[in-house]
Amino acid sequence: DVKVTQSSRYLVKRTGEKVFLECVQDMDHENMFWYRQDPGLGLRLIYFSYDVKMKEKGDIPEGYSVSREKKERFSLILESASTNQTSMYLCASSYRGKEEQFFGPGTRLTVL
Amino acid sequence: KNQVEQSPQSLIILEGKNCTLQCNYTVSPFSNLRWYKQDTGRGPVSLTIMTFSENTKSNGRYTATLDADTKQSSLHITASQLSDSASYICVVRRDNAGNMLTFGGGTRLMVKP
Repeated sequence: DVKVTQSSRYLVKRTGEKVFLECVQDMDHENMFWYRQDPGLGLRLIYFSYDVKMKEKGDIPEGYSVSREKKERFSLILESASTNQTSMYLCASSYRGKEEQFFGPGTRLTVL
Repeated sequence: KNQVEQSPQSLIILEGKNCTLQCNYTVSPFSNLRWYKQDTGRGPVSLTIMTFSENTKSNGRYTATLDADTKQSSLHITASQLSDSASYICVVRRDNAGNMLTFGGGTRLMVKP
């Protein structure tokens, strides 16, 4: 079974704090993704990575950065958290050439 | 603009009843459409995938249909169970778009005893 894990299920941070969200997958997937999910808006792609040290901007990259130093790990960084970044963050991974994505359980981030 | 619209936004049905969820898309060129189920507090899990040439596909009590001409898909759930309570998300992949997917807003289904 594919397993995608995220470091925290719930996180509360203050405005201006630096926030790290970690995602780890154990299936040797080349592709990894970070989405945010807001009511009525569906999942929106923030960044994705198709290989170690490679990253591509998604639809809403502003205010976020990512890091992929190892194949199994993809980190999402909020350099200075703002209240409008309060959301559910979902990580996903997939094999290169296969478009089915496997999702982690999500991290519900609240920025006060 | 590439969009995926789902209806209804939410639905409450009694256990044992059937229901149908709708997905309309404007994504073009079309590659495939996938239905995901997302339980509360969990990530989405794939239920079924529909390609251009497929009209209907079943996965247990779930049956998905696709009309590529009208750009509509439906997910029919038969004999609903309490465990069907979840959000159902329609996702469309654009041809030649690599890993880029367009997600619908989801339908939140609640099955009551």
